[in-house]
Amino acid sequence: DIQMTQSPSSLSASVGDRVTITCRASQTITRALNWYQHKAEKAPKLLIYGASNLQAGVPSRFSGSGSETDFTLTISSLQPEDFATYYCQQSYTTPTFGGGTKVEIK
Amino acid sequence: EVQLLESGGGLVQPGGSLRLSCAASGFTFSTYAMNWARQAPGKGLEWVATIKGSGRSTHYADSVKGRVTISTDNSKNTLYLQMNNLRAEDTAVYYCAKGIDTGTSTFDSWGQGTLVTVSS
Repeated sequence: DIQMTQSPSSLSASVGDRVTITCRASQTITRALNWYQHKAEKAPKLLIYGASNLQAGVPSRFSGSGSETDFTLTISSLQPEDFATYYCQQSYTTPTFGGGTKVEIK
Repeated sequence: EVQLLESGGGLVQPGGSLRLSCAASGFTFSTYAMNWARQAPGKGLEWVATIKGSGRSTHYADSVKGRVTISTDNSKNTLYLQMNNLRAEDTAVYYCAKGIDTGTSTFDSWGQGTLVTVSS
């Protein structure tokens, strides 16, 4: 299986901050990389698919980039509703998720 | 609007069985890949199983292979996960997730989840 490594595992940030989360695949996955937001007791939500495609209805402050093995999720200006855990997931082969990045209020 | 509603979770003893259901609405159920994923307490998301394609091929995580079966009833727009020989490590919230298309493993809608607890 392809291993997905996210960093950091957690971060503290303030409203308005620019936040960057990275995800590294153990082998090339071309651009088959998705990002999800998960809040406690809620359904996970697809944010970005195919490395950089914004899912319908997702605010434009979210963006994704990268290819092959290295990927980034950026939140350009953190909003109160963005405090959550974020997961990357490869869809190149049998799907695997990263370990998650918890974004907390500073 | 896509809606996915899981049911069937509960407390079961090690070695026991459980069948989870996911009632789907708001899309043409038979034309999309459907999936189960889970989150164990304090852990991250883990993919469990997928049913996809016109032939409804099935695929399983190694951690559950041989113990679970994913299936659909297109007449009821319902996804199932039959789980047998359950272990303590199967304790998790189980989510039903719709694929973005018929074949790729991108999950564009998720249910709220159903809790499975395996304990004596």
